[in-house]
Amino acid sequence: EPEVTQTPSHQVTQMGQEVILRCVPISNHLYFYWYRQILGQKVEFLVSFYNNEISEKSEIFDDQFSVERPDGSNFTLKIRSTKLEDSAMYFCASSEYANQPQHFGDGTRLSIL
Amino acid sequence: AQSVTQLDSQVPVFEEAPVELRCNYSSSVSVYLFWYVQYPNQGLQLLLKYLSGSTLVESINGFEAEFNKSQTSFHLRKPSVHISDTAEYFCAVSVVGGADGLTFGKGTHLIIQP
Repeated sequence: EPEVTQTPSHQVTQMGQEVILRCVPISNHLYFYWYRQILGQKVEFLVSFYNNEISEKSEIFDDQFSVERPDGSNFTLKIRSTKLEDSAMYFCASSEYANQPQHFGDGTRLSIL
Repeated sequence: AQSVTQLDSQVPVFEEAPVELRCNYSSSVSVYLFWYVQYPNQGLQLLLKYLSGSTLVESINGFEAEFNKSQTSFHLRKPSVHISDTAEYFCAVSVVGGADGLTFGKGTHLIIQP
C-alpha cells in the first residue's frame, strides 16, 4: 500500500537556525498537509496545500514557516530562525481530494537546543 | 471553529473485555468524523471514518463507531480488545466542503492489561 514518507526521522538543530523537513506524499494525491504535535499535547493543523499554493493555514503558521513543492514528488516545511518552542513532532499528510481521509507519515521529531 | 473533546486521557481495560472511547465534537457547520490510531513510535493511521450514509461505521480489526448528530458524538467501541490494540486513539473532524485540515482531540491512551 502506498504511504507518505518523511525525512529525517529525527532532526536536532540549534536555536536560531533554519530547518527543512521533507515529505513525499502519495503519488496520486492532490492535497498536502503539515501538522505538529508538541509533546503531551494534541495534534495541531499547520497548513494545507493544493495546486501549488496554500489553501488554508492556522494561527500557528506565521511568517516563520513556509511550505514548498519544489518538484513533482517532495513537499517541504521550512522553519526559519527556530525557537525552543518549535520542538515537536511534525507530521506530513496527503489526501486524494479535499475532505477525503488523510494519510500520515511517521513524522519527524524536531529537537531545538 | 470546530473543537473535539476526548474526555478520557487514559483507559485501562483487561484483555478480551469491551471498551468504549468517547469523542464529542462542536461545530456550527457539518463535519466529517474520523478516528486515527497511533502505535508507539509510528505515525497516525486511519482507523475509520464517517463521511455520509450509515451512522455506524466499522473497521477491519473489529472497531466500530457511531455518529450521533443529536449528541454530537462519535464514540469508538470494540466488543473484545487484544493486547495489540494498545495505542493512542485520536478523534478528528473536518469541515464538509472545506479545504482545511483536521481538528484533533487530545487523544486517549488505551492500555490493555493481560
